[in-house]
Amino acid sequence: DQQVKQNSPSLSVQEGRISILNCDYTNSMFDYFLWYKKYPAEGPTFLISISSIKDKNEDGRFTVFLNKSAKHLSLHIVPSQPGDSAVYFCAASDFSSGSARQLTFGSGTQLTVLP
Amino acid sequence: DSGVTQTPKHLITATGQRVTLRCSPRSGDLSVYWYQQSLDQGLQFLIQYYNGEERAKGNILERFSAQQFPDLHSELNLSSLELGDSALYFCASSVAGGRNQPQHFGDGTRLSIL
Repeated sequence: DQQVKQNSPSLSVQEGRISILNCDYTNSMFDYFLWYKKYPAEGPTFLISISSIKDKNEDGRFTVFLNKSAKHLSLHIVPSQPGDSAVYFCAASDFSSGSARQLTFGSGTQLTVLP
Repeated sequence: DSGVTQTPKHLITATGQRVTLRCSPRSGDLSVYWYQQSLDQGLQFLIQYYNGEERAKGNILERFSAQQFPDLHSELNLSSLELGDSALYFCASSVAGGRNQPQHFGDGTRLSIL
């Protein structure tokens, strides 16, 4: 049972436009959400996170939105740049695990930004 | 550069063998996590250590074990290897295990079983 789902395996966007990556989750105990970017032959790189007490967090060109009632989060990248082309993973963790904060990952979305 | 170092980058071995993967966390991080990424499973949590003690277990096989040493580096031991163990193994670290702190990942060890 996939608790974190990224239903779009790939997304292509023109340089300078907005990229919107989506993620859905089923576990209502999740209270901390993260986005990671991954280039080939490298490990995931942390981008931005959001706690369940917020509905928006912004860091430069990256904004994450959380809709708890819909169990949905999204990552907006504005403006998109060719260097943003990578696989983006959504991840979540839940407070019921106590002091353990293992992450549950989605399957990833390959973003391609076209020049 | 995340500050998390994993060695070796690549490992090729045969079925039935035993290997050890090593991870050095970022300076100051007390928590270490191990994840497995296989082609059909995505990134799956294996095990977490916090300041030398096991804190949580995920989908880790009994043939696999890990430990965290006093200097906070960690090792993942995989034994009686099978073809299906071929995967990327990532280590991640964070400041503490219980707060909303992001995990930072190393570049992984690619394990190939022939």
